[in-house]
Amino acid sequence: EVQLVESGGGLVQPGKSLRLSCAASGFNFNDYAMHWVRQVPGKGLEWVSGIIWNSASIGYADSVKGRFTISRDDAKNSLYLQMDSLRAEDTALYYCAKDRHSSGSGLDHWGPGTLVTVST
Amino acid sequence: DIQMTQSPSSLSASVGDRVIITCRASQNIDIYLNWYQQKPGEAPKLLIYATSNLQSGVPSRFSGRGSGTDFTLTISSLHAEDFGTYYCQESYNTVLFTFGPGTKVDVK
Repeated sequence: EVQLVESGGGLVQPGKSLRLSCAASGFNFNDYAMHWVRQVPGKGLEWVSGIIWNSASIGYADSVKGRFTISRDDAKNSLYLQMDSLRAEDTALYYCAKDRHSSGSGLDHWGPGTLVTVST
Repeated sequence: DIQMTQSPSSLSASVGDRVIITCRASQNIDIYLNWYQQKPGEAPKLLIYATSNLQSGVPSRFSGRGSGTDFTLTISSLHAEDFGTYYCQESYNTVLFTFGPGTKVDVK
């Protein structure tokens, strides 16, 4: 059974950093692209970042480009999101999601999310 | 960047009704369009990928069609459990995606 579990969320001050992690199990992690998607409570979904199976191609939403960095450690079956220079508008529930393919396609499994709150 | 729009933004329908949700892309995305259902307090669930392919375990009353810039998700006969918000998502570029704003479906 595919499982994705996010961690690392919490309350952080504007301008500070936070690192999210996603522990994956139940599938060959190194065969699939992975993504981060966020959602402000009560609002819509926003794709944040994605990384293909071999890390050769990485993408970011314009809203986080230059501030967030996605990475993966296939030996640890883990996905990461380094979030720097955080802003109040980055406050959201952050989901880790598995792609159907090695490169971009539909997102067929999601974690429960980890909440990030950026506030003084 | 590709922009996605959906219509309607919300709808209310009765059990047994046929429901159609439309998604439009700002540029040609071929068939790289996926649909999700999200219920309150839950993570999204993939319903359809690549415009018309039903994800494993999804009931056959859900179907999708389209190509280029215009796409539809159809629920042939609405069930009570189909409430929630439906999102389209383009996957035209390898790892540069966009979600639509969502369509909230209420079951009368």
